[in-house]
Amino acid sequence: AQSVTQPDIHITVSEGASLELRCNYSYGATPYLFWYVQSPGQGLQLLLKYFSGDTLVQGIKGFEAEFKRSQSSFNLRKPSVHWSDAAEYFCAVGHLPGDNQGGKLIFGQGTELSVKP
Amino acid sequence: DAGVIQSPRHEVTEMGQEVTLRCKPISGHNSLFWYRQTMMRGLELLIYFNNNVPIDDSGMPEDRFSAKMPNASFSTLKIQPSEPRDSAVYFCASSFSQNYGYTFGSGTRLTVV
Repeated sequence: AQSVTQPDIHITVSEGASLELRCNYSYGATPYLFWYVQSPGQGLQLLLKYFSGDTLVQGIKGFEAEFKRSQSSFNLRKPSVHWSDAAEYFCAVGHLPGDNQGGKLIFGQGTELSVKP
Repeated sequence: DAGVIQSPRHEVTEMGQEVTLRCKPISGHNSLFWYRQTMMRGLELLIYFNNNVPIDDSGMPEDRFSAKMPNASFSTLKIQPSEPRDSAVYFCASSFSQNYGYTFGSGTRLTVV
C-alpha cells in the first residue's frame, strides 16, 4: 500500500538558517510527489510537485525538493528560512493520472516548523 | 477564480444532531475530495469523486457519514447523528485529474459538544 512518512513531527530553526524537511514514501511505481504548506487556520497550499524529469524541482516561496529514487525520499529544502515560513508542511504521494484513481493523494503526518528570531 | 469554497467555516452542534458541510469546487475541476484533519490522525481522505461519481469511500468512518455530489459544482458531506469524536477540520479539495491541480478550501471546523 502507498504510504508517506515524515519522520520529524516538529522542527525549530533560526531565521536565516537553512532548512530540510524529510519525506519518505512507499509506492509500487514511479510516484507523483508533492509538498504542501498549511498556515494556522488555513487550507493546504501546493509548494511544488514532481512528476518526472529533473529530480530537483523548484517551487514557490524559494522552496525546492529533490527526488531520490534509491532512497525513496523527497526532501524539502530552503537555503534561508524566513519567519513567515513557520507553518505545517505535508508531503504527499499520488496516483498516476488516468489510472482511474482520479488523482488521489496520500498525505504524511506533517512536520511543524517553528522559526526562532 | 474564487477557489474552493466551503461552508460554514465553523460549526458547533450538539451530539445527535445532523451536520451538513458544503463544498463548491473550482469550475472545470473534475475531481473532488473530502479530507478530515485531526491532531491524532492527521489528514485522512474520506471520499473522493471523479466526474461526480464516488470512486472510493473506504475512508468514510461509519455509516453515519455520507457524501453526495449532485452536480459538478456542489458537494455535501453529511454526518447523522453527530458525535463528539467527529470534531475535526473537514477540508474539501478539487483538481483536474490529469494535472494534479489540487486546490484546498479553507476548511470547516466542526465541534460536536
